Amino acid sequence: EDQVTQSPEALRLQEGESSSLNCSYTVSGLRGLFWYRQDPGKGPEFLFTLYSAGEEKEKERLKATLTKKESFLHITAPKPEDSATYLCAVRDSGGSNYKLTFGKGTLLTVNP
Amino acid sequence: SAVISQKPSRDICQRGTSLTIQCQVDSQVTMMFWYRQQPGQSLTLIATANQGSEATYESGFVIDKFPISRPNLTFSTLTVSNMSPEDSSIYLCSVGTEQSIQYFGAGTRLSVL
Repeated sequence: EDQVTQSPEALRLQEGESSSLNCSYTVSGLRGLFWYRQDPGKGPEFLFTLYSAGEEKEKERLKATLTKKESFLHITAPKPEDSATYLCAVRDSGGSNYKLTFGKGTLLTVNP
Repeated sequence: SAVISQKPSRDICQRGTSLTIQCQVDSQVTMMFWYRQQPGQSLTLIATANQGSEATYESGFVIDKFPISRPNLTFSTLTVSNMSPEDSSIYLCSVGTEQSIQYFGAGTRLSVL
């Protein structure tokens, strides 16, 4: 059974204080790892997809990296508007064709 | 990405009643999905809504409790039947792309009293 574990559960940063969020996963075969951002009262917003170990993607202050067992979402010099819950999900090569298995998320708070 | 509209955005219902949630997409899509997000829990796939055929349900979810319709390539409904307080949750629809990316609606926040 696919498993996705995100840590920490919550992270509080000062504006400009860089940090990383972790997503550890267990799948039989990875067909994609996905990062989403979710603001209160809204649905998840797609950020990145990573498909193979060593791959990296960047968007503004966010950078996602992937190894064979985990992914990191690096946040450089965060701003208060980066405050949100960040979700990680995986798609397995086995099982339901398009099923995404999600972690519980990391609640990021950036204080001004 | 497609624009996804869900109705209602929130509702408060009495136990034993049913609620139908609608999901409308502004373009034709092959893959539509329904998820549940319970407080403190991860997003969990309920079922894949198949156009022209019965939905495909994940383990732990059954058609009698969560009947799904998919009459065309832009619309789907999820009904939460015979509700109990344990059904209080956020219900989200999503659409999938050929690259396996899923885009989500804003969700329906359901409270059952």
